Amino acid sequence: DAMVIQNPRYQVTQFGKPVTLSCSQTLNHNVMYWYQQKSSQAPKLLFHYYDKDFNNEADTPDNFQSRRPNTSFCFLDIRSPGLGDAAMYLCATSREPGVEQYFGPGTRLTVT
Amino acid sequence: QKEVEQDPGPLSVPEGAIVSLNCTYSNSAFQYFMWYRQYSRKGPELLMYTYSSGNKEDGRFTAQVDKSSKYISLFIRDSQPSDSATYLCAMSEGDTNAGKSTFGDGTTLTVKP
Repeated sequence: DAMVIQNPRYQVTQFGKPVTLSCSQTLNHNVMYWYQQKSSQAPKLLFHYYDKDFNNEADTPDNFQSRRPNTSFCFLDIRSPGLGDAAMYLCATSREPGVEQYFGPGTRLTVT
Repeated sequence: QKEVEQDPGPLSVPEGAIVSLNCTYSNSAFQYFMWYRQYSRKGPELLMYTYSSGNKEDGRFTAQVDKSSKYISLFIRDSQPSDSATYLCAMSEGDTNAGKSTFGDGTTLTVKP
């Protein structure tokens, strides 16, 4: 089945210790998104790639970076995690910008 | 005021009830309308999407869009305990505005056996 895969599902990191979350997709979609979701809140878009074009949201902290080495993979790097970065991180894909998105299961990040 | 307002809930209904979940929006440029279901501690799952006003049915689910009133609804017939989840509406302008989707804050539904 075509799908969006995120690894790891759970990640514990220490305050200030860099962490990388990964996402892969078998849908061959052009667009990949990274969202941050905190408890009982809507997903908050951090950035997205349309093919190789990177689109950063204006309010995404510089602490968050992303890489998309090829169509299938996308990474979220948090350079110096703070306690406020503890959240669920969701990867999603869509065939074109603005249409329906397909989400992965998420990575729950804990910062100690 | 938020671009997308979703009935906050929580909503609790008995099994078999018809459920109505609603969102209103202010941006008349929105063209694409989606509903996602999110179980606790899981990623959102695409339930339905529609690109036009009117009704779209899929099994027990019906998505309704009224662009003139800027109002969308998701109806669940014969609700089941397995429908207990948070439901998120989302909408976008299409490929303008960088293709961003704007999400509602979600309505948490509990269906009691």
